[in-house]
Amino acid sequence: QVQLQQWGAGLLRPSETLSLTCAVYGGSFSGYPWNWIRQPPGKGLEWIGEIDHSGATNYHPSLKSRATISVDASKNQFSLKLTSVTAADTAVYYCARAPKTCSRGACHSNGFDFWGQGTLVTVSS
Amino acid sequence: SYELTQPPSVSVSPGQTARITCSGDALPDHYGYWYQKMPGQAPVLLIYKDSERPSGIPERFSGSSSGTTVTLTISGVKAEDEADYYCQSADSSSSYWVFGGGTKLTVL
Repeated sequence: QVQLQQWGAGLLRPSETLSLTCAVYGGSFSGYPWNWIRQPPGKGLEWIGEIDHSGATNYHPSLKSRATISVDASKNQFSLKLTSVTAADTAVYYCARAPKTCSRGACHSNGFDFWGQGTLVTVSS
Repeated sequence: SYELTQPPSVSVSPGQTARITCSGDALPDHYGYWYQKMPGQAPVLLIYKDSERPSGIPERFSGSSSGTTVTLTISGVKAEDEADYYCQSADSSSSYWVFGGGTKLTVL
């Protein structure tokens, strides 16, 4: 059974850098896109970005300038850094796996099937 | 930026059928996905590629797609189904993922 376990600092001051790491246990690490998603208090889900097995990244346009996702395949881990945080970045952050299936040259996501437990990050002065 | 539109709330009585819609201009060209979100828990994938159900998801959860709308149908609603439900899809250029605003399902 695949398990994602995440950790990182839960309290930040404005302008600091958010840093979270997600470790994958019990399944293959290579060959999957790995994602970060967040949910501000009382609001909906927001996709932050993803990294694939080749290290290629893709980010939500609203966060592209501040977000960096990296991978350490030797440890089956991937990480998120978000610079210059403000109170608007206060949220529960989740890591998630998003497998794809490919057929006849086209690949499609099978959705975010395994998630981390979530980490509440609060930005406050 | 691209948006997916869901009704804020849906209410049904136990045993009835709940339908939650999600509208977006790019949905005719991109698959829709559905998640159940309970307070304090990570989301759970209910439906992928419009109508596929992951293993372990009860058959009373189903999905469909028509034009610019995807729909999550919950047949024989139970009290335990009371939760927030989110749709997800890609923007028109397949550049990024988007979630709908969420629908709170209330079981009366």
